[in-house]
Amino acid sequence: AQSVTQLDSQVPVFEEAPVELRCNYSSSVSVYLFWYVQYPNQGLQLLLKYLSGSTLVKGINGFEAEFNKSQTSFHLRKPSVHISDTAEYFCAVSEGGQGFSFIFGKGTRLLVKP
Amino acid sequence: GAVVSQHPSWVICKSGTSVKIECRSLDFQATTMFWYRQFPKQSLMLMATSNEGSKATYEQGVEKDKFLINHASLTLSTLTVTSAHPEDSSFYICSAREPTRLDYEQYFGPGTRLTVT
Repeated sequence: AQSVTQLDSQVPVFEEAPVELRCNYSSSVSVYLFWYVQYPNQGLQLLLKYLSGSTLVKGINGFEAEFNKSQTSFHLRKPSVHISDTAEYFCAVSEGGQGFSFIFGKGTRLLVKP
Repeated sequence: GAVVSQHPSWVICKSGTSVKIECRSLDFQATTMFWYRQFPKQSLMLMATSNEGSKATYEQGVEKDKFLINHASLTLSTLTVTSAHPEDSSFYICSAREPTRLDYEQYFGPGTRLTVT
């Protein structure tokens, strides 16, 4: 069965500093990987996704992630964060198949401090 | 493109009453919609997968008689919380897939906050 682990529940960082949010997954088959951002009392917005091909994926708002199959990881990075990046970030995995349902990690709250 | 709306955005109801939440795909046809539940400061838990014209598939532990899901058209799915109790208070989020796109992405609605008093 597939699962997603986001080890850090909260990551505090100062404005303009780099940040990495970690995501590890487990699955017995090939997976599709996603990062979503959620602002308070809102739905989820897609940041980026990995389906196939290049393991370095670039998304919106300056975020990028690298798929590492051997380490079963899909860590999210940004070289310089802004106050507005403060939000909850969710990693999700899908094995495709019927329904293409997602399994979400528990989320990481990114707190950007001035 | 690929916008999903939910209505209402928030609702307060009394214990024992039923509440219906609508999820609409505004600019595409969604053969599959998903319903999630999110408790404060927690992740999204998949409740059920809704396919247009057929019965929803519920995840283990989700009471199908309590959370009624109807997906009667390609643009509308509804979740009805029957005989609501305070423990049903939560943030409910729907998502939809556009079958013609091969990106496996789900498009999420803005969520509905349900408070049962």
